[in-house]
Amino acid sequence: AQSVTQPDIHITVSEGASLELRCNYSYGATPYLFWYVQSPGQGLQLLLKYFSGDTLVQGIKGFEAEFKRSQSSFNLRKPSVHWSDAAEYFCAVAPINFGNEKLTFGTGTRLTIIP
Amino acid sequence: NAGVTQTPKFQVLKTGQSMTLQCAQDMNHEYMSWYRQDPGMGLRLIHYSVGAGITDQGEVPNGYNVSRSTTEDFPLRLLSAAPSQTSVYFCASSYSQANTEAFFGQGTRLTVV
Repeated sequence: AQSVTQPDIHITVSEGASLELRCNYSYGATPYLFWYVQSPGQGLQLLLKYFSGDTLVQGIKGFEAEFKRSQSSFNLRKPSVHWSDAAEYFCAVAPINFGNEKLTFGTGTRLTIIP
Repeated sequence: NAGVTQTPKFQVLKTGQSMTLQCAQDMNHEYMSWYRQDPGMGLRLIHYSVGAGITDQGEVPNGYNVSRSTTEDFPLRLLSAAPSQTSVYFCASSYSQANTEAFFGQGTRLTVV
């Protein structure tokens, strides 16, 4: 069965500092990979996705993620965080060549931004 | 553009009561899913549907029923609520093609006392 690990439960960074959120997956083949963001009391918004091709993908709000097959990782990065980036971030996978009716999520990383 | 609409946003139930969480999408998506979100556990799949009349169980289906009579609607039924079902519930929908994304509703926060 596929699984997703987000090893960092909570990360605190200063505004303007760089950010990296870690995501590792376990799957028989390369799955489709996603990062979602959830602001307090809100639903999930897609930040970026990887299906195939270039392993560095760009998303919204200045985020990017790099897929590393050898490490089974899909880490999320941002060069300079803003106070509005404070939220919970979820990495998710979906079986390749299927739809997205069965996403598997990590447990999430809560991001706190300090002035 | 409404997207995925969930109602109600908040609900308090007594143990043993029943209720239906509503989910509707206006994007003509074939696939719809229900997840529950609990602290420290991320989102877990309850039930999903790949089209009208077709449903299947996810990771945590016990205590929940679903049906899909139309493409637009995918209600989640709690027949006899239990405190363990206190959670935030999210509905999602997507096209059937593989390389697409899932869209999520705003969630329903359910408390069972």
